[in-house]
Amino acid sequence: QKEVEQNSGPLSVPEGAIASLNCTYSDRGSQSFFWYRQYSGKSPELIMSIYSNGDKEDGRFTAQLNKASQYVSLLIRDSQPSDSATYLCAVKRYSSASKIIFGSGTRLSIRP
Amino acid sequence: DAMVIQNPRYQVTQFGKPVTLSCSQTLNHNVMYWYQQKSSQAPKLLFHYYDKDFNNEADTPDNFQSRRPNTSFCFLDIRSPGLGDAAMYLCATSSRGAGQGTEAFFGQGTRLTVV
Repeated sequence: QKEVEQNSGPLSVPEGAIASLNCTYSDRGSQSFFWYRQYSGKSPELIMSIYSNGDKEDGRFTAQLNKASQYVSLLIRDSQPSDSATYLCAVKRYSSASKIIFGSGTRLSIRP
Repeated sequence: DAMVIQNPRYQVTQFGKPVTLSCSQTLNHNVMYWYQQKSSQAPKLLFHYYDKDFNNEADTPDNFQSRRPNTSFCFLDIRSPGLGDAAMYLCATSSRGAGQGTEAFFGQGTRLTVV
């Protein structure tokens, strides 16, 4: 079992709709959860971070965390063509090692 | 602006010829990471430093080495690059721990081609 799992997609969403991206993780010791956006050929860019159960909103983005279900999601409202990218879920657990582990990403395509 | 800078952006090396990639940061973060990312795959953690403490991943080949001479700089050395080592190499930094404000920030990456 992979430590962080995402559906690879592609996920196709019409412009203006809500895009929903999901991620599950295996380590119950994980404490920090991140969503990164990565355009083709570029490095990952932090979109959202979430640390406690519930929802966290930032503009058009909402991150949701459910530690009991080991599940984290990202909602993108009013999707724009510029949102077309790969979205990487990452988790971090507290230890002396401070490792950050990434999922393989979900490719999102916003169609006009 | 505080940032993470990788050099070079593109590196072409010959099969078996040692190559060094560099990373510098102005964020004053105590953790620095090196990831390898191949096309359509997750960034794969190779190793990371907490200050000068080196943490190697169990499946990182011996061909990959790293140095961190000070807080600001970190180097990735590939002793004998093979064709399978062609990838994007990503350097990232973060604060230690897993609470608020410990997210990782990435450099622009170095695209390595092995010929």
